[in-house]
Amino acid sequence: NAGVTQTPKFQVLKTGQSMTLQCAQDMNHNSMYWYRQDPGMGLRLIYYSASEGTTDKGEVPNGYNVSRLNKREFSLRLESAAPSQTSVYFCASSDAATQYFGPGTRLLVL
Amino acid sequence: QKEVEQDPGPLSVPEGAIVSLNCTYSNSAFQYFMWYRQYSRKGPELLMYTYSSGNKEDGRFTAQVDKSSKYISLFIRDSQPSDSATYLCDGSSNTGKLIFGQGTTLQVKP
Repeated sequence: NAGVTQTPKFQVLKTGQSMTLQCAQDMNHNSMYWYRQDPGMGLRLIYYSASEGTTDKGEVPNGYNVSRLNKREFSLRLESAAPSQTSVYFCASSDAATQYFGPGTRLLVL
Repeated sequence: QKEVEQDPGPLSVPEGAIVSLNCTYSNSAFQYFMWYRQYSRKGPELLMYTYSSGNKEDGRFTAQVDKSSKYISLFIRDSQPSDSATYLCDGSSNTGKLIFGQGTTLQVKP
């Protein structure tokens, strides 16, 4: 039982490049989330998916897209990376009100 | 104003001290309140979970919610160096979306 897994662990991009952050959970949770964490800002919700086939915007969705591929997987895509998207990205899944987080992806955009 | 406010610290205490971590929130619809602990370069992990007002105790940790004043507290007794981490509070209504505070960094010195 791996819980929530994220790939890659670390990535460096140049401005304008695109990439997809992958997330998978093996806990059969309906809800999945993408957050970014920046110093002094705490965790900010980018997008979430309450169930397979549905996605909704969170607090800071601009510059990102998501895909809920199936119940297990929820990916986050940056179409044209910007330096302001340098951050640590966390995926989470939940049963009711308790969220379980992945180990994070550290993204540096130059 | 953020829905959940938390003093970012840092807070430094000697080993064995009683630690008090606090948050305030503005959304009256919040019913679930959680404390997460996050070690450096790791994802947050659930520490305590309370529903509505009242206290909940788990070993050295006590979570307290006062809905009348919209105040959330976490008390750590006999603090240990291993408690050094960032502590995140959050609130949630029935929507399942969690709103996090900025996090308080705690250092317990031996």
